[in-house]
This record gives sequence, structure tokens and C-alpha cells, in this order.
Amino acid sequence: GAVVSQHPSRVICKSGTSVKIECRSLDFQATTMFWYRQFPKQSLMLMATSNEGSKATYEQGVEKDKFLINHASLTLSTLTVTSAHPEDSSFYICSARAAARETREQYFGPGTRLTVT
Amino acid sequence: AQSVTQLGSHVSVSEGALVLLRCNYSSSVPPYLFWYVQYPNQGLQLLLKYTSAATLVKGINGFEAEFKKSETSFHLTKPSAHMSDAAEYFCALFSGGYNKLIFGAGTRLAVHP
Repeated sequence: GAVVSQHPSRVICKSGTSVKIECRSLDFQATTMFWYRQFPKQSLMLMATSNEGSKATYEQGVEKDKFLINHASLTLSTLTVTSAHPEDSSFYICSARAAARETREQYFGPGTRLTVT
Repeated sequence: AQSVTQLGSHVSVSEGALVLLRCNYSSSVPPYLFWYVQYPNQGLQLLLKYTSAATLVKGINGFEAEFKKSETSFHLTKPSAHMSDAAEYFCALFSGGYNKLIFGAGTRLAVHP
């Protein structure tokens, strides 16, 4: 149980275009979802936290107009990178926390490799 | 402030040797602590977690960790390394005040024959 999927696993897009990444909790309801960015050989950097049905809370320094997050249901969150540029190339990982669990455990998706050319 | 420190960005062991990955935390409240493993180009997989029950926590793949409050540590160990253990390992602390995980910088484990 507690599986999180991401789609696509890899995406290449041209500079100036937008790309959407989906994150789904497959076998549990996730009231809270998280989006992380990871640079090579570095730890995860939290970008934003989203709760179902409400606006995402962005970490300091993360542009909310560039990284649009939607958490429309208890099993789906999306991250849209708008007007992508090469510096947005990175590994994006989503994570979800189950509503019923008290252990603060988060389940991570397999990640999405974004390359902007 | 809450924080996580992983001592040693790279650890190299021989196959069959003891694995010890160090994690120290800072928290003013009883912590929830986690160890995650990340294989190349993949997401994070939970190895084990401490949630104020037993101080010695057993996880998957033969790993275990011991919570030591007096030392503010949560070191990860495995008696005998396997080649498949080569990966990046992250220690994390749940921050209730900020409702998020605080990650350490990670430790890359290399296992050589």
C-alpha cells in the first residue's frame, strides 16, 4: 500500500513552453501533498505544500506564478512549470501524506526529470 | 530551530562489512524521525521510522536505527553491506510547527567488492 505515482517520468520541452507534472496517490487519500526539487547530488528542496481544495503554500524564494500547483482532489496534485527555461531543468519529486495516519509519514513518487532546451 | 545533520556526505564500505550512517537532530519537542533511501533517478523509499515507541527501530532490507535522546542521534546501521545497498540515504525530521519534513544533506553509500 501507500503508492504514489508521477507522470511523466521524463519530459523534454522547449524554452518558453509550459509543462504539467501529475502526482497521484494510488491507494490512499492524501490531504496534504508536497512538491520537491532536487539538484544533482543534493538533498531535496521543498517547493510547496498543498492541501486538498485550498491554495498551495510556497516556500520562500519559490515563484508561485511560475510553479503552479493544483490539488483538486484527495488523490491528485499537479505541478505546472510555466514559461520554462533551462534553469528549471531538474528532478521534481512529489510526496503525499495520508489523512488517517498519525506518524507524519510521507510517501514519495518516483520523480520526474525535466529538461528544458 | 529544528535541523538534521548527516555526518559524512560519502561513506564507502566493503561488501559484507558493517554499514553505519550518522544522523543527528535538533528538536525542542519529541521528534518523529525517518530514514529514506534513494536509488539513482528514483524517488525516496522509506527505510524505517521512529515515532516514540521502541528506541531500536527495524526497517526494510536489514537496516535498523537506534534513537538516542541523550545524544540526539538516530544512526542507521546494517550488519553486512550488500552491493545493492549502494544508494543515497537521507535522514529526516518531521517538523510539527511547519508541517513538513526537514531533510539532512544526504549520505552517498558506496559498496565495493
